Amino acid sequence: EAQVTQNPRYLITVTGKKLTVTCSQNMNHEYMSWYRQDPGLGLRQIYYSMNVEVTDKGDVPEGYKVSRKEKRNFPLILESPSPNQTSLYFCASRWGGEQYFGPGTRLTVT
Amino acid sequence: QKEVEQDPGPLSVPEGAIVSLNCTYSNSAFQYFMWYRQYSRKGPELLMYTYSSGNKEDGRFTAQVDKSSKYISLFIRDSQPSDSATYLCAMSEGGYQKVTFGIGTKLQVIP
Repeated sequence: EAQVTQNPRYLITVTGKKLTVTCSQNMNHEYMSWYRQDPGLGLRQIYYSMNVEVTDKGDVPEGYKVSRKEKRNFPLILESPSPNQTSLYFCASRWGGEQYFGPGTRLTVT
Repeated sequence: QKEVEQDPGPLSVPEGAIVSLNCTYSNSAFQYFMWYRQYSRKGPELLMYTYSSGNKEDGRFTAQVDKSSKYISLFIRDSQPSDSATYLCAMSEGGYQKVTFGIGTKLQVIP
């Protein structure tokens, strides 16, 4: 089954404690990305990757890092989380007009 | 001005109605036009996409793109209560470019 997986699904952490959200896809897609979704602001792209070792900033990259060392994995790193990064995060992989989303990670930073 | 504008609704319709959802955009370089459905607490699910311009039909759903007016539409025929969800439009200049979403329209289909 074609899918995008993310872990963890729920995470509560404290300000400044580094965390990583993992993302993996089994569709051999070159393009992967991370989004955050906030009430009233919709889905906003954080970073995207066009292939291994190739990444670019989306609309809201501040405070986030990504890496793409393997085609199937695209982890999102928050080196020093702050309360304004409390949000619902989605990973996605894409081929042309077909983009598939993971189930989401709800992050709370206190 | 946002690159992609979408009325957040909510939009309430009776079961069986034809629903029209729309987005406007300002970037004439957009080539991919996508529609997603998102149920509460779930990830967005791709409904359909079009490349460049024209119409596309899939079952009860029809997507239309009018590049001259920078306007895209999604029509849902014979709407069902199970269609109640938030519908998001999204656009991209190319297959490897940034994707920009509309804010989403919340639809409720009343039995």
